[in-house]
Amino acid sequence: QVQLVQSGAEVKRPGASVKVSCKASGYTFTSLDINWVRQASGQGLEWMGRMNPVSGDTGLAQDFQDRVTLTRNTSINTAYLELGSLRSEDTAVYYCARVSWSSGWFFFDSWGQGTVVIVSS
Amino acid sequence: DIQMTQSPSSLSASVGDRVSVTCRASQNIINYLNWYQQKPGKAPKLLIFAAISLHSGVPSRFSGSGSGTEFTLTISSLQPEDFATYYCQQSYTTGTFGQGTRVE
Repeated sequence: QVQLVQSGAEVKRPGASVKVSCKASGYTFTSLDINWVRQASGQGLEWMGRMNPVSGDTGLAQDFQDRVTLTRNTSINTAYLELGSLRSEDTAVYYCARVSWSSGWFFFDSWGQGTVVIVSS
Repeated sequence: DIQMTQSPSSLSASVGDRVSVTCRASQNIINYLNWYQQKPGKAPKLLIFAAISLHSGVPSRFSGSGSGTEFTLTISSLQPEDFATYYCQQSYTTGTFGQGTRVE
């Protein structure tokens, strides 16, 4: 079955960077985009960006364009989110999600378990 | 960017109730609208895509309607496992979400 398994929790200092991984299994990794979504405690879902695993092309939400890098390693079916210049407001659960398509509509049909990132001095 | 606004932000309901959640888009998104359910400590789960299409395995008590800028998620008879937070998401451009509606 389709699985997205994310890396473990991270604690970082303000100003540092964090890199979260998302390992895919159960489907052809290069066939579908991976998106990243975050959720601060008690808050809603915030879409961060998407990546095409074949080309490496990315699209980022405006709020993250200068701090987020999305990459992948197709040899190990893994996508990565790197967020730099961390601040306390970046404390959140970060999710990867697989995009699927049906007749022109896309949706996120499989999600990772989430990675907690805490930014604290 | 397209803004998604849900109402209400929370609602109180009982088992067996008919429950509706509304989502409004800041511009016409035709029917590029998805609905997700999220329970505490868990990742969201897809319920409905393309505004009205039920995702595989989702109970038929869930339904979606609407087009253009206004959409509705309806639960015909609320079950104990349906107490959760529901999010809409536009798939017309990127993947921005509404702020969520907690059903409690």
